[in-house]
Amino acid sequence: GIQVEQSPPDLILQEGANSTLRCNFSDSVNNLQWFHQNPWGQLINLFYIPSGTKQNGRLSATTVATERYSLLYISSSQTTDSGVYFCAVAAYGQNFVFGPGTRLSVLP
Amino acid sequence: NAGVMQNPRHLVRRRGQEARLRCSPMKGHSHVYWYRQLPEEGLKFMVYLQKENIIDESGMPKERFSAEFPKEGPSILRIQQVVRGDSAAYFCASSPSPLEGGTEAFFGQGTRLTVV
Repeated sequence: GIQVEQSPPDLILQEGANSTLRCNFSDSVNNLQWFHQNPWGQLINLFYIPSGTKQNGRLSATTVATERYSLLYISSSQTTDSGVYFCAVAAYGQNFVFGPGTRLSVLP
Repeated sequence: NAGVMQNPRHLVRRRGQEARLRCSPMKGHSHVYWYRQLPEEGLKFMVYLQKENIIDESGMPKERFSAEFPKEGPSILRIQQVVRGDSAAYFCASSPSPLEGGTEAFFGQGTRLTVV
């Protein structure tokens, strides 16, 4: 099955800093989403982005499907950005496979 | 439009009891997925259902676990004779069409099962 890697595994930032999270996948995908799991365990949709670039406020994402990676950019980070960021991909005939996540801690 | 609703949010069961987890998909969504998250780990696929049909149960343990999505009512994940290793967060997601075709899925808040 498809393999999903995320980097870095852990990230500590000062409030106001910018960061880039990466998701690599081993095969062609028809579906890719980024999620934020907050400290209370809720999974929040960030982007549905099987290809291209999207922006939503301080967050943006880019997926280069031909090169099998996606990037999540967080600018001017805030303490409420803390949590675990997951990417999940689905190839044809398969359901979502989640990456191991990037644990982000934003310090005040 | 309410999101994916899961209940209960927290469930405590003694070893050997049964656990029933419920998931109501978003309005207009007929595809439901169950995922399990063990402590400090990522989410693992369990089962994919469409109304009255199990489409893919390749991630379900062979014994004690079952799932259904009846014509009327929520999807149910049932765990019989629970053991301590079943303690985890169970998430349900729904989508309007199959994920493989390219569609956005939405997750519920999860049910946190604790087996004592």
